[in-house]
Amino acid sequence: KAGVTQTPRYLIKTRGQQVTLSCSPISGHRSVSWYQQTPGQGLQFLFEYFSETQRNKGNFPGRFSGRQFSNSRSEMNVSTLELGDSALYLCASSLDGTEHGYTFGSGTRLTVV
Amino acid sequence: AQRVTQPEKLLSVFKGAPVELKCNYSYSGSPELFWYVQYSRQRLQLLLRHISRESIKGFTADLNKGETSFHLKKPFAQEEDSAMYYCAPTGGGNKLTFGTGTQLKVEL
Repeated sequence: KAGVTQTPRYLIKTRGQQVTLSCSPISGHRSVSWYQQTPGQGLQFLFEYFSETQRNKGNFPGRFSGRQFSNSRSEMNVSTLELGDSALYLCASSLDGTEHGYTFGSGTRLTVV
Repeated sequence: AQRVTQPEKLLSVFKGAPVELKCNYSYSGSPELFWYVQYSRQRLQLLLRHISRESIKGFTADLNKGETSFHLKKPFAQEEDSAMYYCAPTGGGNKLTFGTGTQLKVEL
């Protein structure tokens, strides 16, 4: 079956702009999590959605938001982009949470200039 | 505060030698514990989880609640084991907290 699909793969944006990243989970998976990966901070949890509801949230400013649709697809949005938002954004899906482990996508590489 | 520590950024071993990747955690309650691996140019993938007590690709991990450690071990390293390894306990709820990772390099 298809894996976790993230679009786009690469993105270049200007400071102050906003961006929307998309994630299609594995069919049947209802939990979707987002992570930010940077060389300096490593992998950091952004938020997790389950059945269209945000279940968990990491320590990121309110500029980072997300949502999940009824088909479990998820989007994350970053408004008023800053240079420090440049990172690889990873999406991961699971049947219902961490018990069964998460399957990760390839990520979206965001560069803010 | 929840914390996970992987003390070694880089671990270099010879092929056939034993491998131990260290992970220590500081959590309240009883977190679930996972190891994830990222091979070169590939996605991050689940290697094993302590709840299932499975052995994947020859790797095992023992949870030591007294020492709050979850070290990853393999008796004989193979060249294809070269990768980045992340220890990831869950935080509150379904939130993985990743360690900084250990780059394992298996030399011939």
